[in-house]
Amino acid sequence: NAGVMQNPRHLVRRRGQEARLRCSPMKGHSHVYWYRQLPEEGLKFMVYLQKENIIDESGMPKERFSAEFPKEGPSILRIQQVVRGDSAAYFCASSPAGGGTEAFFGQGTRLTVV
Amino acid sequence: GQNIDQPTEMTATEGAIVQINCTYQTSGFNGLFWYQQHAGEAPTFLSYNVLDGLEEKGRFSSFLSRSKGYSYLLLKELQMKDSASYLCAHSGTYKYIFGTGTRLKVLA
Repeated sequence: NAGVMQNPRHLVRRRGQEARLRCSPMKGHSHVYWYRQLPEEGLKFMVYLQKENIIDESGMPKERFSAEFPKEGPSILRIQQVVRGDSAAYFCASSPAGGGTEAFFGQGTRLTVV
Repeated sequence: GQNIDQPTEMTATEGAIVQINCTYQTSGFNGLFWYQQHAGEAPTFLSYNVLDGLEEKGRFSSFLSRSKGYSYLLLKELQMKDSASYLCAHSGTYKYIFGTGTRLKVLA
């Protein structure tokens, strides 16, 4: 049973470009969470999705950021017109049910905006 | 609100015992989690408490008091490889909210 798979592991974008981060949850998991982490800091909640639905996007900036989890395929976190401040590690986690069960994390995508 | 507080850094000696405290405030509660994260790596699950009391798992134990909004992670027989960040998180109805993490340095 493969774990949570994120790709790419490292992504470099120039200011103004788009970044697309992918997350395939563990088999059997329909709940996906995206977190952002700056160096030496904790995990900041961005968005929680179930298949085809955004349940909570309260941690996501209103502009330039969007997320989806289609019926088929991985969850995508999309950042348009990236700026230097978007440079961070973005972690995806999945769980079989929301909240009261262990969430499993992917290895993260480290985004660098140059 | 949903707040979690834990110390920023702690230092301990190899072979010793260390206790990392976490206090939280949340309007909904569905469990308290501890994760370990080594630098540059993904967080990995350590423990989960939903009822008051102590959960023991090898060298690691976790305690929860729901009435006090308080948890701790106890690490025994510290090893150098235990140097990492330890993240406290609570879950409400669905999402997991993390504290800023405690960076533990284990010295020889």
